[in-house]
Amino acid sequence: EVQLVESGGGLVQPGGSLRLSCAASGFTFSSYWMTWVRRAPGKGLEWVAKINEDGSEEYYVDSVKGRFSISRDNAKKSLYLQMNSLRAEDTAVYYCVRGGRASFGYWGQGTLVTVSS
Amino acid sequence: QSALTQPPSASGSPGQSVTISCTGTSSDVGGYNYVSWYQQHPGKGPKLMIYDVSKRPSGVPDRFSGSKSGSTASLTVSGLQAEDEADYYCCSYAGNNNLVFGGGTKLTVL
Repeated sequence: EVQLVESGGGLVQPGGSLRLSCAASGFTFSSYWMTWVRRAPGKGLEWVAKINEDGSEEYYVDSVKGRFSISRDNAKKSLYLQMNSLRAEDTAVYYCVRGGRASFGYWGQGTLVTVSS
Repeated sequence: QSALTQPPSASGSPGQSVTISCTGTSSDVGGYNYVSWYQQHPGKGPKLMIYDVSKRPSGVPDRFSGSKSGSTASLTVSGLQAEDEADYYCCSYAGNNNLVFGGGTKLTVL
């Protein structure tokens, strides 16, 4: 059974940093693109970043470029999102998702990031 | 990277059909056959309902169908059931490895 379990969310002050992790199981992690998607309170889903199978390609939504960094460790079957210079508008539930195009068949339950003073 | 346009709400009675639209541009919905739809119940992660415009993953009831005309994609739910009440989101590939979601539609089963 495919499982994606996020961790690392929490309360952080504006300008602060946070690192999200996603532990994957039930599939050959190194064979799939992986993606982070977020949902801000009262708003819709937003694609944040994606990374290819071996970590050599990374892509970001414009609003997080230069602040967020996606990475992966295929040996540990883990996906990461390093978030720096956090802003109030980054407050959201962050989902770890298998896939990289527009067909996301497996999602984690999400981890809440709250940026507030 | 502007969000795709969905109606904020839609509704129907049990047994009826409802269609949710998702309007983009020639740079996303109109330019690629990579449109997907997701169902999200409160407190849960999204579930893939339709991919590649009209394909249904195994396990998704055939009451759910997808289509596209020009830059507008549509999700139709036939034979509405109480458990279909949820938020629905469309998503499209937007070129240059970008992706864009719609703002979401809250479907109410009356």
